[in-house]
Amino acid sequence: AQSVAQPEDQVNVAEGNPLTVKCTYSVSGNPYLFWYVQYPNRGLQFLLKYITGDNLVKGSYGFEAEFNKSQTSFHLKKPSALVSDSALYFCALNSGGYQKVTFGTGTKLQVIP
Amino acid sequence: GAVVSQHPSWVICKSGTSVKIECRSLDFQATTMFWYRQFPKQSLMLMATSNEGSKATYEQGVEKDKFLINHASLTLSTLTVTSAHPEDSSFYICSARAGLAGVNPYQETQYFGPGTRLLVL
Repeated sequence: AQSVAQPEDQVNVAEGNPLTVKCTYSVSGNPYLFWYVQYPNRGLQFLLKYITGDNLVKGSYGFEAEFNKSQTSFHLKKPSALVSDSALYFCALNSGGYQKVTFGTGTKLQVIP
Repeated sequence: GAVVSQHPSWVICKSGTSVKIECRSLDFQATTMFWYRQFPKQSLMLMATSNEGSKATYEQGVEKDKFLINHASLTLSTLTVTSAHPEDSSFYICSARAGLAGVNPYQETQYFGPGTRLLVL
């Protein structure tokens, strides 16, 4: 079995400050981790993914995520938040041998002007 | 690249009617497409997985006779909600995966459509 946890339902951050959206996972095999963003009444947009290699993954719109195997985490980060970053963020997990992607429950990011 | 479209974006229908939602991969061929349902302020619930040219695999608890899925080509999958009822009202999202040769499918990115909001009166 595999699971993904996003411990925060909502994260508030002031515009210009760094932001972190947390994600932890549990899987028996190699994890393949993804971050998606969803704007209201829209589908999910792919931000970045970790498959193997460098633990720091850079993605779209200035976002990056750090894979930490010992802490089984894959937190999403951005050095300077924009108001337009306000959206719902989903962490997702897949692994070899498991047939479907598991999504976290989502974290609502609110960037305050 | 990797654009997925859905049509319609909004649909309102009367109880008892059927509604068809189309999902298209516009700039790549998708060997696998997925259909999700999302309730307000909740995560995505996978309904079914469809591979081009074969029958869809439905998740436990999803009625295959109610949610008909067809994946007739590498760029088109359709979801038909038959005899829709108010409890079927939801946000339906499709995604597509290319199925690239030599690439582990579990490592591939799923690209999502913009979603279809269904309201059954």
